[in-house]
Amino acid sequence: LAKTTQPISMDSYEGQEVNITCSHNNIATNDYITWYQQFPSQGPRFIIQGYKTKVTNEVASLFIPADRKSSTLSLPRVSLSDTAVYYCLVGDFGSGNTGKLIFGQGTTLQVKP
Amino acid sequence: DVKVTQSSRYLVKRTGEKVFLECVQDMDHENMFWYRQDPGLGLRLIYFSYDVKMKEKGDIPEGYSVSREKKERFSLILESASTNQTSMYLCASSSFRDSPLHFGNGTRLTVT
Repeated sequence: LAKTTQPISMDSYEGQEVNITCSHNNIATNDYITWYQQFPSQGPRFIIQGYKTKVTNEVASLFIPADRKSSTLSLPRVSLSDTAVYYCLVGDFGSGNTGKLIFGQGTTLQVKP
Repeated sequence: DVKVTQSSRYLVKRTGEKVFLECVQDMDHENMFWYRQDPGLGLRLIYFSYDVKMKEKGDIPEGYSVSREKKERFSLILESASTNQTSMYLCASSSFRDSPLHFGNGTRLTVT
């Protein structure tokens, strides 16, 4: 399973766009890239998932270059409530490997007023 | 919306006690998981199950067992609780194909 590397922490201000990049050099052909968000004292919450190019939903965008060795989670116009830990995961959900996905340390995003 | 419910938010137990953590999901998901989360260590997989009565060890199964008698329910059992099992325990579920994990809000267990 592909290992991921992402920054330990990031700071931003309200109203700014935040981009968190995750490296996954050993990503396999069937792997998807998934991002989760976790607030204190809560379980992680699914944000977005993609395979290639760009995916957008009401919360975020996910940019994946052609070689798929990295991905960038983009949060538009963050607010204080976006302060959380963000996890990047890589794995092949369709083969039943979901349980073996590795949650790393995540990126702690601190949004300041 | 998928709901994963963990029976307790906070639990305090004594060393040596047998502890049951219960998890129920309401979306007929095949897969269920138990993780523990500790500061500096992230989430670590304890056990998971792909079907009723099936279980597989995760990365840190020692000191734990699980039970899945019904599809919607997955129980984590600490046979003899120890202080190093003080942690946040998170249950999750997913359907078999191309489905993200859905987590409960966790049970913070303290073993004294």
